[in-house]
Amino acid sequence: SYKLTQPPSVSVSPGQTAKITCSGDELPRQFAYWYQQKPGQAPILLIYKDTERPSGIPERFSGSRSGTTVTLTISGVQAEDEADYYCESSDSSDSYVFGDGTQVTVL
Amino acid sequence: QVQLVESGGGVVQPGGSLRLSCTASGFTFSSYAVHWVRQAPGKGLEWVALISHAESEKIYADSVKGRFTISRDTSKNTLYLQMNSLRPEDTAVYYCASGILWGQGTLVTVSS
Repeated sequence: SYKLTQPPSVSVSPGQTAKITCSGDELPRQFAYWYQQKPGQAPILLIYKDTERPSGIPERFSGSRSGTTVTLTISGVQAEDEADYYCESSDSSDSYVFGDGTQVTVL
Repeated sequence: QVQLVESGGGVVQPGGSLRLSCTASGFTFSSYAVHWVRQAPGKGLEWVALISHAESEKIYADSVKGRFTISRDTSKNTLYLQMNSLRPEDTAVYYCASGILWGQGTLVTVSS
């Protein structure tokens, strides 16, 4: 079955930039989505269709794509950005899949 | 207020059935595709099922195919997930999601 690969964890100091990658063979042909989830809360959509940001999401969150990898960039990381981050996309049969998630720690 | 509210979770024995509901308020549900997503305790997100806005497509994860059925009642602005032949590994918080909008989830526990 289709799999999206994310790093398990990323550590970053406040004010620095965090990059979270997500790799998958179908990513050149399918949109990617990024979610943030804090403990005990429902996920929040940060990025849709690879690079689009819903209204209300801070500009420090951005998405990009290069080949089979999409990247979520958090610029000027703040303490409140400490959370789990998930990428999501679909395969050729329109089934969806999430990456295993990346835990972001703000040092 | 635009929101999704799930209900119907609870404790069920292995092999049993449960029907989850997701009621939308503040917008017309039938205009959008809707997903069910679940999260086992301490684990990551797992996509479960999708129903397209026109109900022309109903797609399921392999892990639930043949056991779960997604449907919606447009007159009630409500989405359903009928879950049959439940297994302990189906234990999770179940979320409904449509675009940027997610519910708060409902907990399903499969245990004897």
